Amino acid sequence: DQQVKQNSPSLSVQEGRISILNCDYTNSMFDYFLWYKKYPAEGPTFLISISSIKDKNEDGRFTVFLNKSAKHLSLHIVPSQPGDSAVYFCAASTGANSKLTFGKGITLSVRP
Amino acid sequence: NAGVTQTPKFQVLKTGQSMTLQCAQDMNHEYMSWYRQDPGMGLRLIHYSVGAGITDQGEVPNGYNVSRSTTEDFPLRLLSAAPSQTSVYFCASRPWEGGTGELFFGEGSRLTVL
Repeated sequence: DQQVKQNSPSLSVQEGRISILNCDYTNSMFDYFLWYKKYPAEGPTFLISISSIKDKNEDGRFTVFLNKSAKHLSLHIVPSQPGDSAVYFCAASTGANSKLTFGKGITLSVRP
Repeated sequence: NAGVTQTPKFQVLKTGQSMTLQCAQDMNHEYMSWYRQDPGMGLRLIHYSVGAGITDQGEVPNGYNVSRSTTEDFPLRLLSAAPSQTSVYFCASRPWEGGTGELFFGEGSRLTVL
């Protein structure tokens, strides 16, 4: 049973526009969420996180929104840049110090 | 600062052969883990450790062994490789307590089992 779901396998966006990457989870015990970015032939790198006590966290061009009642979070990238083209993984845990459960990832392509 | 180092980066095995994927970190992190990445499957946790002498199973532990004799090293052993173990393997670490929960990943080891 997949506990973290990224239902869209890919997203294509024009440079300068907004990218919205969605993630759903089923385990109501999850209270800490992270987004990772992965380029080909490299390991994933941490992008941004949010705990369940917040509904928004912002870091530069990246903002994560959390809707606990819907068990849904989204990553907004504004404005999108070609260098943002990568695979993005959503991950969740029961607390910041617990093991992470990852989604399948979504491939973002930003067109120049 | 090397971070998390994995070796080898590439390996081809025949079915039934054994091998060890090495992982070392120089950040004094208590928590270390191994993930595998397969197309359409995301990152799945194989084994993890919260400190020297302590290991536990993740989602997909079958066919893999681990040990943690030091804080720095967390090797992953395949005792009898199978084609289903063809994958990209990532080692990751973080402090066990405190911090943001961020995992630091190695660059990956691509394993092909024929």
